[in-house]
Amino acid sequence: DGGITQSPKYLFRKEGQNVTLSCEQNLNHDAMYWYRQDPGQGLRLIYYSQIVNDFQKGDIAEGYSVSREKKESFPLTVTSAQKNPTAFYLCASRRLAGVAETQYFGPGTRLLVL
Amino acid sequence: KQEVTQIPAALSVPEGENLVLNCSFTDSAIYNLQWFRQDPGKGLTSLLLIQSSQREQTSGRLNASLDKSSGRSTLYIAASQPGDSATYLCAVTRGSTLGRLYFGRGTQLTVWP
Repeated sequence: DGGITQSPKYLFRKEGQNVTLSCEQNLNHDAMYWYRQDPGQGLRLIYYSQIVNDFQKGDIAEGYSVSREKKESFPLTVTSAQKNPTAFYLCASRRLAGVAETQYFGPGTRLLVL
Repeated sequence: KQEVTQIPAALSVPEGENLVLNCSFTDSAIYNLQWFRQDPGKGLTSLLLIQSSQREQTSGRLNASLDKSSGRSTLYIAASQPGDSATYLCAVTRGSTLGRLYFGRGTQLTVWP
């Protein structure tokens, strides 16, 4: 089955700790995205990547970092600099073939602060 | 900057009603507009995608229209069912192949039997 997997489903972060959220896709998509969703809010873009070893900041990149060493993987690290990390994090991917291509989303990771 | 607004924020209706969800965006220079469905605690599922050159798209009981010049889209749900209960999100794409999506806050729909 082709799709996007995110792990873990729930993640707990202690004060001052960095944590990494995993995102893997087997759809052979070029572009990958990370979004943050807060209650009652729409999704906000954190980082995105079109090709391996290249990525761009989105609207709320401060306190986050990413890497794109493989086409199928786009992990997100929430650093200790992110003071309010509690949220639902969604990863997505997309072909870059044209304007009619939709984004496919993973099931999400909920991050909670202890 | 692109701003996307969805009205209403929440909607509760009895089964069988026809519904209209509204979406507006501030910058008409979009490449496409999408409607997504999100169930509680889950990821997003794409429902319909309308390219900027199109006026509407249909899938089953769903019909989405786009008026790019006025910055508006509507999602019409015919003969609503309890299984339609979810949050519906509107998103627009600007820029060529980067595929960045700008989301509204969503409409939370409850359809009761």
